[in-house]
Amino acid sequence: DVKVTQSSRYLVKRTGEKVFLECVQDMDHENMFWYRQDPGLGLRLIYFSYDVKMKEKGDIPEGYSVSREKKERFSLILESASTNQTSMYLCASTPRDRGRGEKLFFGSGTQLSVL
Amino acid sequence: DAKTTQPNSMESNEEEPVHLPCNHSTISGTDYIHWYRQLPSQGPEYVIHGLTSNVNNRMASLAIAEDRKSSTLILHRATLRDAAVYYCILRAARSTGTASKLTFGTGTRLQVTL
Repeated sequence: DVKVTQSSRYLVKRTGEKVFLECVQDMDHENMFWYRQDPGLGLRLIYFSYDVKMKEKGDIPEGYSVSREKKERFSLILESASTNQTSMYLCASTPRDRGRGEKLFFGSGTQLSVL
Repeated sequence: DAKTTQPNSMESNEEEPVHLPCNHSTISGTDYIHWYRQLPSQGPEYVIHGLTSNVNNRMASLAIAEDRKSSTLILHRATLRDAAVYYCILRAARSTGTASKLTFGTGTRLQVTL
């Protein structure tokens, strides 16, 4: 089975800290995604990547950056954490689009609290 | 990117069929319709997907309207374990080097009662 692993299930950080959220997938997928999930707002796309060192902005990229130095790992970076970034963060991966409607695989999520 | 519209919530009795609707009036000819569900305290998981024809798997069935502007996820016999948020999304079929944006909405919260 495909596994998408997020490094922490729960994380507590202070305002102004630099925060790294790590995501690793073991199925050699080209595409990786970072979403945040807040009550009543569903899943919102922050950034995605379709190859090593490639990244594209999603719908809410402000306050975030990403890094994809290796194919299996996609990191989400909060340069200076703020309380409004308290949220559940979900990572997903999927194979390259080959016209067959390839499905996404999600990690279990990281609940980040910024105090 | 084409968007989807789903009801915020639905209720069902256990052991009864459930039909979860999704509207996607701006779907393009190469968009796949995907369904995912998210159980409490978990990441979303894949349920089913289709392009034009109805699809069945061990979890559910997907009925796609002839004009493809709507679809329905069918759970044949709802159980308490099916209580979750169900998301309908569109995935463009493309073979370029870039990825589809893959936007989720707020989904439908399904409540299953005894």
